[in-house]
Amino acid sequence: QVQLKETGPDLVQLTQTLSITCTVSGFSLTTYNVHWVRQPPGKGLEWMGAMWNGGGTDYNSAFKSRLSISRDTSKSQVFLKMNSLQTDDTAKYFCARGAGAFDYWGQGVMVTVSS
Amino acid sequence: DVVLTQTPVSLSVTLGDQASISCRSSQSLEYSDGYTYLEWYLQKPGQSPQLLIYEVSNRFSGVPDRFIGSGSGTDFTLKISRVEPEDLGVYYCFQATHDPLTFGSGTKLEIK
Repeated sequence: QVQLKETGPDLVQLTQTLSITCTVSGFSLTTYNVHWVRQPPGKGLEWMGAMWNGGGTDYNSAFKSRLSISRDTSKSQVFLKMNSLQTDDTAKYFCARGAGAFDYWGQGVMVTVSS
Repeated sequence: DVVLTQTPVSLSVTLGDQASISCRSSQSLEYSDGYTYLEWYLQKPGQSPQLLIYEVSNRFSGVPDRFIGSGSGTDFTLKISRVEPEDLGVYYCFQATHDPLTFGSGTKLEIK
């Protein structure tokens, strides 16, 4: 069955780099897109960017040049890296399969940026 | 960026009654291919969001027919008939027509 699972640190220091891995199963990264969405505590959802099935990427301009998304198709993994973290980057980070709409989501990983 | 304005912010509904949520977009969500990429998601307490409706009015697999999406252009509505206890949570509209993709701010559905 289709599954996505995010793994990453619970805590990241201010100005440091966040790295999260989304490991998928039940589908191929060369067939489906994978998106990243985040949610600060008690707040709404924010689309961050996507890894397209063809290998290209798309980023929300709100993250300017801080965000990078890549993948390793042999390991069925998609990677999110974001640098220069600030306290307002504290959020739960989700990956989701894009089959048109986001039909399957991971459980998310909660990341706290600490000063 | 496209702004999606959801109303109301919160909604308290008696079990068995109907609930209605509005999502208004700052730009038309009709894409050049003729499709309108407006979706609805429900985030139940403590869970990841789940897809309810895609392309305005298409129910995702397993979604009960109590959930009805409608609208066009810039005005969209999600109606939930005969609200049940498992419907509580926060509903988000989302547009994938314009880059960057954007979510509405959410509507919290509570059961009276």
